[in-house]
Amino acid sequence: GESVGLHLPTLSVQEGDNSIINCAYSNSASDYFIWYKQESGKGPQFIIDIRSNMDKRQGQRVTVLLNKTVKHLSLQIAATQPGDSAVYFCAENMRGSQGNLIFGKGTKLSVKP
Amino acid sequence: NAGVTQTPKFRILKIGQSMTLQCTQDMNHNYMYWYRQDPGMGLKLIYYSVGAGITDKGEVPNGYNVSRSTTEDFPLRLELAAPSQTSVYFCASSSLAGGSNEQFFGPGTRLTVL
Repeated sequence: GESVGLHLPTLSVQEGDNSIINCAYSNSASDYFIWYKQESGKGPQFIIDIRSNMDKRQGQRVTVLLNKTVKHLSLQIAATQPGDSAVYFCAENMRGSQGNLIFGKGTKLSVKP
Repeated sequence: NAGVTQTPKFRILKIGQSMTLQCTQDMNHNYMYWYRQDPGMGLKLIYYSVGAGITDKGEVPNGYNVSRSTTEDFPLRLELAAPSQTSVYFCASSSLAGGSNEQFFGPGTRLTVL
């Protein structure tokens, strides 16, 4: 079965609010995690990544938090905009897996104007 | 750079037909991947390659074949198309430079098998 999954399949937020998308992983051998955004009809687009030796990493309007104790990953989007509407996937890379990523099912984020 | 390009964008096949999905990248990446994405689902790895001449199976390789004769190209072959292969296929590449596994994805090929 899949080792990476998401708690909420859909998330609806008001424009300007912060969004939090959650992800659970089950493989303690995973040492690298990545978030992708996929807009309708397009390929996934890299958002942010984090290594297992970090707890937090910030990008532009996005923050990824990693809690290795409970095997949980989250993506926070500040001041969510209509252009953020998409499906968000987390993925994990097991140590020694030659770069292979295991993707979760995805969370659809809808931003209400 | 064009990045990762895929052709065709759409294709309809009859059961038992064969076809090749093309994938090319111009970033000189050693690593290339083929995924399929079923409706409402995440991506599942079909095959991957760590360099020219080297390929290996992913999670769902049955019914597919690949080759990697050059760094740039990584075609995916369906020999006997089946309805279960109806999906969107994505090709990706990465360099694994600096410890990052950011995979760059193509726009996808939407395949329907009837």
